[in-house]
Amino acid sequence: DQQVKQNSPSLSVQEGRISILNCDYTNSMFDYFLWYKKYPAEGPTFLISISSIKDKNEDGRFTVFLNKSAKHLSLHIVPSQPGDSAVYFCAATYNTNAGKSTFGDGTTLTVKP
Amino acid sequence: EPEVTQTPSHQVTQMGQEVILRCVPISNHLYFYWYRQILGQKVEFLVSFYNNEISEKSEIFDDQFSVERPDGSNFTLKIRSTKLEDSAMYFCASRQFSSPLHFGNGTRLTVT
Repeated sequence: DQQVKQNSPSLSVQEGRISILNCDYTNSMFDYFLWYKKYPAEGPTFLISISSIKDKNEDGRFTVFLNKSAKHLSLHIVPSQPGDSAVYFCAATYNTNAGKSTFGDGTTLTVKP
Repeated sequence: EPEVTQTPSHQVTQMGQEVILRCVPISNHLYFYWYRQILGQKVEFLVSFYNNEISEKSEIFDDQFSVERPDGSNFTLKIRSTKLEDSAMYFCASRQFSSPLHFGNGTRLTVT
């Protein structure tokens, strides 16, 4: 039962353009969502989060949008930079317990100079 | 910036052997976790630990697995009798209350 799905295993964008990474979930109990970035040979690093009481959260170049009715969230990176090239994981949890998170499969983003 | 450190970075062991993976969480964090990622698959929750006891564990975390915080700084994951399918990256993580997880760089466990 895959409760968190990232349907695009990879995404390639040109430097300066927008990157949009998508994530869908099935468990309506999830109330807190996070995005992590992972470089090779490193652990995931927290990027940005959003609570289910919001539909948007912005932090610099990164914005996360949440559509609860569609059980869908997306991460927008504007403008994309080559250093953003990494694997991006969507994660979801409930009771705002960020510890026990359910992760998606990840999307590998490549930003071309 | 404080970070979670894990040792060793790579551990090779034979099937049936015991392994201990070590982690030093961030010093003022109270919640500790182990996750794993089998090659090509998703990051999976194994266990959470708070106040010197397991607070939650997944169905993956069977009797072969145990965790311990033997002193004020270390947090260990022991696999009693390793199986081939235990080969994976094991990530330790810690957090403060209501904060996101801070992950270590992982230990790659290879069971032969």
